[in-house]
This record gives sequence, structure tokens and C-alpha cells, in this order.
Amino acid sequence: EVQLVESGGGLVQPGGSLRLSCAASGFTFSSYWMSWVRQAPGKGLEWVANIKQDGSEKYYVDSVKGRFTISRDNAKNSLYLQMNSLRAEDTAVYYCARHRNWFDPWGQGTLVTVSS
Amino acid sequence: EIVMTQSPATLSVSPGERATLSCRASQSVSSNLAWYQQKPGQAPRLLIYGASTRATGIPARFSGSGSGTEFTLTISSLQSEDFAVYYCQQYNNWPLRTFGQGTKVEIK
Repeated sequence: EVQLVESGGGLVQPGGSLRLSCAASGFTFSSYWMSWVRQAPGKGLEWVANIKQDGSEKYYVDSVKGRFTISRDNAKNSLYLQMNSLRAEDTAVYYCARHRNWFDPWGQGTLVTVSS
Repeated sequence: EIVMTQSPATLSVSPGERATLSCRASQSVSSNLAWYQQKPGQAPRLLIYGASTRATGIPARFSGSGSGTEFTLTISSLQSEDFAVYYCQQYNNWPLRTFGQGTKVEIK
């Protein structure tokens, strides 16, 4: 069974940092682009970042460029999102997803709350 | 940036009836469009990609159509488990991926 499990969310103060992780299983992780997608409370979905199979290409939505870094460890079947200089507007559930132009499957999500 | 606009925001439908959801792109996305279903407290689930291809395990009552800038998701006979929020997403504009704001399908 293809599965993605996120972890690392929590409460952080504005300006703080957090690192999210996503553990993948049930498929050849190193063969796929991977992504992070977020959803603010009561709002819609927003693509955040993509990373190529070997990590050589990374793309970000403008609102997180220079603050967030996507990375992966294919030996550990894991995806990461390092989030720095966090703002209140970054508060959201963060999902990791396998990216095949569309997103499938999705993890269950991890909640990040940025508040003082 | 390609803006995706979904209508209506909320659709009230009785079980067994047909539901028709619309998604419009601000510029052509060819057939590079996907649809997702999201239930409360759950992650989104892929329903349709390539505008009309059902994902694995998706019932035949879900169908997608359209190309260019106008797309439709049709649920032929609504079941109780189909009441949810539905999102469209374009993937024509690499590397940016944009979603519509969602349509909530509620019980009438």
C-alpha cells in the first residue's frame, strides 16, 4: 500500500523555524517528484514546493521563496520541508504528496500553527 | 499565474440526483486538469486527471470533461459518501500548480 506519513508540525512563534518530515512507503520513492501542499484553516489548497527525483531541481510558490527549503533523502524514503522566518499566514495543515503533475496520494497532513 | 475559478461555491443536491461542478481557467490549460475530493478532517483524494481519466478505484459515477478553459465534474447519482468539497487543479503551467477555491457539495 502506498503511504505517506507527515510529522514535525506544532506551535511556533512568528520568526521561528520548523522542520517537517514525510515518510514514504509502498512505492519506489526515488522515482518520483514529490511535493508539499498546504491548507490554511477553513481555506483551500495551495501548492508550496516540488522536488525532482534526485533533488537537483526545486521549485517554490513565491510566498515561501527564500524562507522554505524542500529536500529529500532517497536512502531513507523521506521528504522534508525546512521552514524558517515563519509568519502567521503560514499557519496551515501541510500535506506531502507524490507529484505526477497531479498529486496522488496525499499524506494525512501535519498542522503548523504560527502564533505568539 | 493561471487562476482557477470554481462554481458554484456551494451546491445543494439530494441523494440520487446529479451534481455538476464547474471549473474555469484564466487561460488555456489544454487537458492538464485534475479533480480532488476532500472530506472533513481528511486529506484530498485524487478523482480525475487529464480532465477525464478516473484515478484508480474511483467509481464510474464520477466523470470529468472539458478542455482549454472550461471543465466540468459530474457526479451522476450522488451517494451519501459523496458529500464533500471538490477542488480542481491545473498542471499546464510548469512548475506552478494552482487549485480552484473549491465547491462544497451538501445535502439538500
